Amino acid sequence: EDQVTQSPEALRLQEGESSSLNCSYTVSGLRGLFWYRQDPGKGPEFLFTLYSAGEEKEKERLKATLTKKESFLHITAPKPEDSATYLCAVQYHGGSQGNLIFGKGTKLSVKP
Amino acid sequence: EAGVVQSPRYKIIEKKQPVAFWCNPISGHNTLYWYRQNLGQGPELLIRYENEEAVDDSQLPKDRFSAERLKGVDSTLKIQPAELGDSAVYLCASSNRGSLVDTQYFGPGTRLTVL
Repeated sequence: EDQVTQSPEALRLQEGESSSLNCSYTVSGLRGLFWYRQDPGKGPEFLFTLYSAGEEKEKERLKATLTKKESFLHITAPKPEDSATYLCAVQYHGGSQGNLIFGKGTKLSVKP
Repeated sequence: EAGVVQSPRYKIIEKKQPVAFWCNPISGHNTLYWYRQNLGQGPELLIRYENEEAVDDSQLPKDRFSAERLKGVDSTLKIQPAELGDSAVYLCASSNRGSLVDTQYFGPGTRLTVL
């Protein structure tokens, strides 16, 4: 049973076309939800940590939000350099402390 | 500040051969993780170290995989013998577990191909 589910699997946008990526989780006792960006041939690059429902964080064209069941990564007016795979991961009470449970990622392509 | 360093970046071997990966974490980070990432999947934890102690190796296939972290800094992950299904990217991450929620920082990974 998947504990972290990301959708869509792939998303193709035109430059400037805003959209959102979804990460839903079924674990209880969330300690933190993490967003990472991964470029081809590279390791995941940390973007945000969200700790509680209602929290929001922003970085350039990216904004991450969190509810009790899911998180959204909003991309405003994306540029081709935003093309990458975006990974969501959770830490939770009851799991081995510190361990991250990852989703499969959303592959974002932004065309000029 | 230097990030997590891994070597080699790429490795191609034949099945049944041994292989080793090396990781140097961010300076001052006491926790080190090894993950495996298959194509189109998120990373999956293999083993976690707190200083030099392996505190979670429940997902490590112990019949062929081994790891060590001498002196609580660098770490080596070994596979012997390698199987075709071991082809994947092996990622090392580190964090500083001084708070309730610690952020993990990843290295570039080692892409292993087993022929």
